Amino acid sequence: GENVEQHPSTLSVQEGDSAVIKCTYSDSASNYFPWYKQELGKRPQLIIDIRSNVGEKKDQRIAVTLNKTAKHFSLHITETQPEDSAVYFCAARDYKLTFGKGTLLTVNP
Amino acid sequence: DGGITQSPKYLFRKEGQNVTLSCEQNLNHDAMYWYRQDPGQGLRLIYYSQIVNDFQKGDIAEGYSVSREKKESFPLTVTSAQKNPTAFYLCASSIGPRGMSYEQYFGPGTRLTVT
Repeated sequence: GENVEQHPSTLSVQEGDSAVIKCTYSDSASNYFPWYKQELGKRPQLIIDIRSNVGEKKDQRIAVTLNKTAKHFSLHITETQPEDSAVYFCAARDYKLTFGKGTLLTVNP
Repeated sequence: DGGITQSPKYLFRKEGQNVTLSCEQNLNHDAMYWYRQDPGQGLRLIYYSQIVNDFQKGDIAEGYSVSREKKESFPLTVTSAQKNPTAFYLCASSIGPRGMSYEQYFGPGTRLTVT
């Protein structure tokens, strides 16, 4: 089955800096790669996703890149703000979603 | 904040008791999922259902059971056979096989504590 590795497990940045979270996957059949943000005690919410026929997608301060050959994808957050502080999960879908273990992002004012 | 709801938010049970967690959605989604979340472990799939009256085991189904008698509802029973049931349980739904979107929408979760 699919295996998703996510790094780093924790990330601390200063407000205004960029943050990058990286994930690798094992199953070359995976075709959908979402990123979820989860604030403490809340439900995960989709922030951006990408399909395997696209290499990059942007939405304001958030971007995701996908390298199918290397089987890795990354989340980029620019101009970070304190409200970006949360746990971020990547996932890969073959016939079901498999999640990474999460990255705790802390943005220091 | 409707769409997909879970109840209750917090649940306490004694060891050896079965407990059922509720999940309801009004999004007209065909597919529903149950995940378990433990600190540092991400989300792990327990069971999923692509259509009414059908469901499949996920990665950690042992000690759990589900039913899917109605499109809107996908209750999860945590049985006494589950060795470590204390966790945060999340239900999700998606359009399913008939749709082009894979996006999953999550409920607010139920935190189960078994002592």
